[in-house]
Amino acid sequence: AQSVTQLDSHVSVSEGTPVLLRCNYSSSYSPSLFWYVQHPNKGLQLLLKYTSAATLVKGINGFEAEFKKSETSFHLTKPSAHMSDAAEYFCVVRINAGGTSYGKLTFGQGTILTVHP
Amino acid sequence: EAGVAQSPRYKIIEKRQSVAFWCNPISGHATLYWYQQILGQGPKLLIQFQNNGVVDDSQLPKDRFSAERLKGVDSTLKIQPAKLEDSAVYLCASSPDGYTDTQYFGPGTRLTVL
Repeated sequence: AQSVTQLDSHVSVSEGTPVLLRCNYSSSYSPSLFWYVQHPNKGLQLLLKYTSAATLVKGINGFEAEFKKSETSFHLTKPSAHMSDAAEYFCVVRINAGGTSYGKLTFGQGTILTVHP
Repeated sequence: EAGVAQSPRYKIIEKRQSVAFWCNPISGHATLYWYQQILGQGPKLLIQFQNNGVVDDSQLPKDRFSAERLKGVDSTLKIQPAKLEDSAVYLCASSPDGYTDTQYFGPGTRLTVL
């Protein structure tokens, strides 16, 4: 079985300050992990993904995430928030084992990021 | 490259009515997914197609939901009859195949059941 827990339902930061969105996962197999962003009335967009290569993953728009197996975490960070970063962020784990569930994505509950001027 | 297209974008119906959603995946993508996203939650997979065959429909409420992907290209998702708890955003996604990491999502259809 696999699951994803996003530790904060809402995060509020000021423009120009660092962003930290926390995610813990549980997986019976070596996982692939993703962060997706969803702006209002728009589709989900892939920010970055971890697929067993480098543990520090860089994504679009200055975001990055570090896979820490010992802590079962995949936190998303950005050094300096921009107003356009305000959106909902989803941490996602993917099954990489065989069977009919192969490739199935399990989403976290989401974290709403608010950026204040 | 054109993205995943969905229509309609918004739909309001009364309970016990039926409704259908349409999805056109990225050209050449063999795998198509339908997700349900209830307000305040992450998307939940309803059904996965590989070409025109169903790979996983374990989370699809089959007494009222149905989906098809004729000819392995576009797909329709139907709800009949709708219940209040079906109010959600229905997302369609596609990927080149079931083994590729990245799924590409459409803008979704927001369904409101009154």
